Amino acid sequence: DAGVTQSPTHLIKTRGQHVTLRCSPISGHKSVSWYQQVLGQGPQFIFQYYEKEERGRGNFPDRFSARQFPNYSSELNVNALLLGDSALYLCASIPTLQGSYGYTFGSGTRLTVV
Amino acid sequence: AQSVAQPEDQVNVAEGNPLTVKCTYSVSGNPYLFWYVQYPNRGLQFLLKYITGDNLVKGSYGFEAEFNKSQTSFHLKKPSALVSDSALYFCAVRQNRDDKIIFGKGTRLHILP
Repeated sequence: DAGVTQSPTHLIKTRGQHVTLRCSPISGHKSVSWYQQVLGQGPQFIFQYYEKEERGRGNFPDRFSARQFPNYSSELNVNALLLGDSALYLCASIPTLQGSYGYTFGSGTRLTVV
Repeated sequence: AQSVAQPEDQVNVAEGNPLTVKCTYSVSGNPYLFWYVQYPNRGLQFLLKYITGDNLVKGSYGFEAEFNKSQTSFHLKKPSALVSDSALYFCAVRQNRDDKIIFGKGTRLHILP
């Protein structure tokens, strides 16, 4: 079975540009969460989606947005990129919110803003 | 608000010795606690979790963690360290069953041959 897949694996963008990151959860998993991991720090929560609805949002500016599609895949969008947005963006999935599941993470998308 | 603290940025242990990576948490109510490991340029891998029951939880790769409610701690342990255990370890907590997981800042574990 495929795990959580993220694309692209690496990305270089210029300040002010827009970026879209993609995530496919494990088959059967209905919840996706996005995290930002800046070098040397722990992952910071950005969004959680369940059944295509936003169920949680972290302390990130409105430049960050996301959505979940009917097949439970998800996109994270970041507008007006700043140098500080350079980070590893991680996607995680769980089967459902009702339970004590640990997240399964993808390998991440490394975003570099220059 | 829920939070988790990892007081050590780095832990050095000789191969074959026991290791402990410390974690304390703050939540209202009963916590859901997790440990993850991250190897260079990789995502996070799940090691173990505590939800309820026995205070000593066993996980992957010979790791275990001890839940201590009175000290609000969830330290990661292994009886005999391997060089291949060298990695970045994250403690995480969830306050409610359907809430987000919050991560600590991580502890880098160096196992010295």
